[in-house]
Amino acid sequence: RKEVEQDPGPFNVPEGATVAFNCTYSNSASQSFFWYRQDCRKEPKLLMSVYSSGNEDGRFTAQLNRASQYISLLIRDSKLSDSATYLCVASNPTGNQFYFGTGTSLTVIP
Amino acid sequence: NAGVTQTPKFQVLKTGQSMTLQCAQDMNHNSMYWYRQDPGMGLRLIYYSASEGTTDKGEVPNGYNVSRLNKREFSLRLESAAPSQTSVYFCASSESPENRGSSYNEQFFGPGTRLTVL
Repeated sequence: RKEVEQDPGPFNVPEGATVAFNCTYSNSASQSFFWYRQDCRKEPKLLMSVYSSGNEDGRFTAQLNRASQYISLLIRDSKLSDSATYLCVASNPTGNQFYFGTGTSLTVIP
Repeated sequence: NAGVTQTPKFQVLKTGQSMTLQCAQDMNHNSMYWYRQDPGMGLRLIYYSASEGTTDKGEVPNGYNVSRLNKREFSLRLESAAPSQTSVYFCASSESPENRGSSYNEQFFGPGTRLTVL
């Protein structure tokens, strides 16, 4: 079983829509969690860290549910520039190794 | 501040050839990582180095060796390339959780090396 699993999509949504991505992780002792964004043929870049209390950054909201071992990302008012692949990441218990999901592809349509 | 740099950007090898992928970071990070990214598999950790002088195997280390030359540089070597090693290779660095005082240690990635083994 993969350490981190996420729906690969693709998600095709109109501009202005709200879209949610979900991800599950297998190790209940994972220490830290992140969402990365990867544009086509580019390197991954940190979108946001995910805290137990939930966190928001502008149009983006991330949630962590440790009991269900589940991470989510909500994007409100989608922009064309949000089109990318979103990678869910969980660390190992010591926080020095990271496990990436296969990514969820998002295309925002005009 | 260049961040994380990788060379080369592209490489084509024949089966059995060897090569070294270079990575350097200028952020004074202790931890460095090598990943490969394949379609449908996501990013998989090959090796990592928690600090200068230490290296550890990740999820897919077979067929690779690494050297943490100094704090800045972490190289990945393919001794005898195989077609199964055709992939995009990313180097990354981060501060150690204990040094950062937080478990949330963002990884910074290099631009990647696209390797094809024929």
